[in-house]
Amino acid sequence: DTGVSQDPRHKITKRGQNVTFRCDPISEHNRLYWYRQTLGQGPEFLTYFQNEAQLEKSRLLSDRFSAERPKGSFSTLEIQRTEQGDSAMYLCASSATYFGPGTRLTVL
Amino acid sequence: AQSVTQLDSHVSVSEGTPVLLRCNYSSSYSPSLFWYVQHPNKGLQLLLKYTSAATLVKGINGFEAEFKKSETSFHLTKPSAHMSDAAEYFCVVSVRGTYKYIFGTGTRLKVLA
Repeated sequence: DTGVSQDPRHKITKRGQNVTFRCDPISEHNRLYWYRQTLGQGPEFLTYFQNEAQLEKSRLLSDRFSAERPKGSFSTLEIQRTEQGDSAMYLCASSATYFGPGTRLTVL
Repeated sequence: AQSVTQLDSHVSVSEGTPVLLRCNYSSSYSPSLFWYVQHPNKGLQLLLKYTSAATLVKGINGFEAEFKKSETSFHLTKPSAHMSDAAEYFCVVSVRGTYKYIFGTGTRLKVLA
């Protein structure tokens, strides 16, 4: 257990639905990252927060994706109008070193 | 652009024999490089990192990696494999001037009894 928690651990949804994931990083860490990992691939960077400020976003993060970290503590990642191609493991990292267990999204 | 290439998608070794997982990097600058391990159904764990100090970096669980600028390599080694080392290993480079970390495609290590 790295001290980073993610919720839910698994999410199955139908195409077109919206989903939201939550990440609780280690409390004293001000850096938070989101990654996406598909089967057989390494994680791909999605976005980075320093405290509540979103300082970098990948071009992978289409308009349907939005991330927030309102008080510089937990973060949420929302995917609107999900597509089958969004099926992946979504990983959160605290301070780039400590990764959470991930949320596995399956879009039917 | 910075990138890493993991030269082997799968490596099999016998328990007690040395492990070598190969990674080459591409970078215009002196890079920061990392190795992570991912056990089945577990989160990613940082094994070690190189940030332009000593070229031989020691990590957890007996792993080490050597930064070789002339060969643009950062190979991961361990003298004696243990069954518990069976996992996926990722070589990672941080992109200078950004907050991005770029992961390689991974090497799956199998340890045979």
